[in-house]
Amino acid sequence: GDSVTQMEGPVTLSEEAFLTINCTYTATGYPSLFWYVQYPGEGLQLLLKATKADDKGSNKGFEATYRKETTSFHLEKGSVQVSDSAVYFCALSKGAQKLVFGQGTRLTINP
Amino acid sequence: NAGVTQTPKFRVLKTGQSMTLLCAQDMNHEYMYWYRQDPGMGLRLIHYSVGEGTTAKGEVPDGYNVSRLKKQNFLLGLESAAPSQTSVYFCASRNRDRARETQYFGPGTRLLVL
Repeated sequence: GDSVTQMEGPVTLSEEAFLTINCTYTATGYPSLFWYVQYPGEGLQLLLKATKADDKGSNKGFEATYRKETTSFHLEKGSVQVSDSAVYFCALSKGAQKLVFGQGTRLTINP
Repeated sequence: NAGVTQTPKFRVLKTGQSMTLLCAQDMNHEYMYWYRQDPGMGLRLIHYSVGEGTTAKGEVPDGYNVSRLKKQNFLLGLESAAPSQTSVYFCASRNRDRARETQYFGPGTRLLVL
């Protein structure tokens, strides 16, 4: 079945550091790929998405490129801030109405 | 717009008690979902609905029932709560159009079963 694997956390960085959170997927067909973010005590919010190969999703300084050849959708940000501290979820959808989530990566940014 | 709302925010149950979680959305979305979130396991789909009066099982449906009597509401029921159902429950909704497939999540309901 379809699955999503994220890098294990937690991840701790200093402010202004470069961030990469790895995400790979297994799926037949052509899924859409998503990154969701969950701030403490809140629900999930869409951060960015990509719907086809080589698409780049971007938002709030975060980027991720849909790489079909490596089945990956790694999340990157050039300079993180304390306010980026949250749990990040990679997910896929094939239009079959539901999302398949990775296990989540907790990110902590220290000032 | 309020988006997706969930009631209650927090609840403590004793083993064997029953309860209903309510999800409401004001975005006129056709699809609605119930997930549970457990540490280290991401979100897992319990049940979902593609329209009023229809429901379907997700990945972890056992011990739960759902109903979608109105388009804007999706109820999750626990008939006889068990400690294994201690979790955070999230509701989500989305438009059925593939071009607008983003799911929108509620703030969650934290459930503790003793």
